[in-house]
Amino acid sequence: DAGVIQSPRHEVTEMGQEVTLRCKPISGHNSLFWYRQTMMRGLELLIYFNNNVPIDDSGMPEDRFSAKMPNASFSTLKIQPSEPRDSAVYFCASSPTDGFPYEQYFGPGTRLTVT
Amino acid sequence: LAKTTQPISMDSYEGQEVNITCSHNNIATNDYITWYQQFPSQGPRFIIQGYKTKVTNEVASLFIPADRKSSTLSLPRVSLSDTAVYYCLVGDSGVGNNRKLIWGLGTSLAVNP
Repeated sequence: DAGVIQSPRHEVTEMGQEVTLRCKPISGHNSLFWYRQTMMRGLELLIYFNNNVPIDDSGMPEDRFSAKMPNASFSTLKIQPSEPRDSAVYFCASSPTDGFPYEQYFGPGTRLTVT
Repeated sequence: LAKTTQPISMDSYEGQEVNITCSHNNIATNDYITWYQQFPSQGPRFIIQGYKTKVTNEVASLFIPADRKSSTLSLPRVSLSDTAVYYCLVGDSGVGNNRKLIWGLGTSLAVNP
């Protein structure tokens, strides 16, 4: 299995631009998570899906952030408009169960820099 | 939500046993304790999980006292490749909309030659 796939691995954009991060979970997993990691705040859960349905999006920082999961093999996290404080590493993870407290498999992350 | 407290950093030497303790005073009945490891520029990786007493796998052991208000991750005979950040998480197994795992900043373990 290829594991969780994220793209792009690195993204540099200017403030105000739209950013779309992509994730392909492990086949057969029914839960998907989006995280953000910074030095100051550590790893924060933004949103998680179960069977393609958003279950908890209370971690999404503001309306500029949105996430979708149109099918079991693809999810996107969009930031529009982006701001410098959005600079972070964004991880996608998937789990074969509904995720709590079971093992989550993380992707390699997308390093986002907003200038 | 159960909050965890763990040391910010630890130092060790190759071949030593390392014990990282995590405090979770307000752990709930349904909560499990899970540890993850994260190397630089990678996503976290599951190490071990337990509910009570002791759990052991090929990588580590997890010790949980009877009151479950703390847990200790034990790494036997560490090597340089064990240098990483270790996260202790507490979360419940119930179904619902408000379950979360609070990751915090973890413990940065440095293994020296």
